[in-house]
Order: sequence, then structure tokens, then C-alpha cells
Amino acid sequence: DAGVIQSPRHEVTEMGQEVTLRCKPISGHNSLFWYRQTMMRGLELLIYFNNNVPIDDSGMPEDRFSAKMPNASFSTLKIQPSEPRDSAVYFCASSVSIGEQYFGPGTRLTVT
Amino acid sequence: KQEVTQIPAALSVPEGENLVLNCSFTDSAIYNLQWFRQDPGKGLTSLLLIQSSQREQTSGRLNASLDKSSGRSTLYIAASQPGDSATYLCATFGRGSTLGRLYFGRGTQLTVWP
Repeated sequence: DAGVIQSPRHEVTEMGQEVTLRCKPISGHNSLFWYRQTMMRGLELLIYFNNNVPIDDSGMPEDRFSAKMPNASFSTLKIQPSEPRDSAVYFCASSVSIGEQYFGPGTRLTVT
Repeated sequence: KQEVTQIPAALSVPEGENLVLNCSFTDSAIYNLQWFRQDPGKGLTSLLLIQSSQREQTSGRLNASLDKSSGRSTLYIAASQPGDSATYLCATFGRGSTLGRLYFGRGTQLTVWP
């Protein structure tokens, strides 16, 4: 079984550029979560979707961040424009409803 | 807002010891609780999920217990091995208006030396 798939695994970009992170959840899972992990703040939930609908986006830091889930097998997290303080590891996770969550390998983002 | 605390922050032990990792949370009205391990530079691997109606779960050498009334969970690792070296995180599931959210502790960094 393929787990949660994220791309790219590493992204280095300059301040002001647009960054798009991609996630493919586990087939059959109907909930999808985006997290950010930093040394300073640990793991934080940014947004989660249930049946492709955003349910809670209160963790999205500001308007520069946006997330979409156009279908059950794909989601994107976009940062525009990016800033150095956005540097972090971004994880996508999926689950069946409010059940056990399975995490992807993460995208390590560096904004210079 | 739910606050999750894990003690100790780091632990270094010789191979073969039995270990207890602690997790406490401020709001006892949780839905479920999940334990993860994270290897350096990797994602999170789910270890155990304790549902709200359960008191404990076991998987191999791992046993996790949950006492919602006291706001505590413990992860017991029997006969530790060097391969157990990783950071262990616990996370509580919110209820009601926060249903679906996971609140994470900062983790316990475990090193098991041969």
C-alpha cells in the first residue's frame, strides 16, 4: 500500500517567490491535514479537509497561505509570496474521518 | 486551548531497559490519543491509537495507557533496543468545535545505546 505521498521532498526558493506543495492522501481516506513543524513551535495544524471541504483553517498563519483540495486524491498548499520565516518542514496527513492519522514524509522548505 | 506536555524531553538508556514516557494534557475532554515516533529527517510513524472508550492499547513491545480523568497517558517500551532510538510524540484529538484537530506535545527524544 502506498502511504501519503508528498512532493517535492525539498524546496529551496528565494523570498517573494510562490511555492506550491503537493499531497496525495491514502486511497479511501476522506480527511486530509496540513501541518508545519519548526524547532521553535513544534508541530502545528494549518488546515484540514473532510470530504474535500475545508473544515478548520484557523491555523493558517496569514493570507499568504492557501490550500485547496480539488478532489479526493490531491491537495495543494500554496505560499505566495514566500518569506524566510516560512522555512519549515510541511507535512500532509490523512485519515478515515476522525481516526488514526498517517503522515507523509514531509517537504523541507527553505526560503532564502 | 489544549496544552500537551511530554516528560522527559530527552532520555538516554542502555539497551534492554524498560522505559516509561509520559504525556499530560490540560483538557481531559479529548476524543482519542495517538502516539507517534519520528526518526531524524523523517515523517511521523503512527505507533498506537487509543480511542476515547479505551484505557490502553498494545503493539508488540509497546503498551500505551490513557487516563482521561487525570489528563495523562504513558507509553511503555519493554526491553528497549538501539532501533527504538527516535523522538516519541503524543497527540490528543479535540472534541466538539475542535473535532479533527490533533494537539501535539514537543516529544521525548530517546537514545538507546548498545
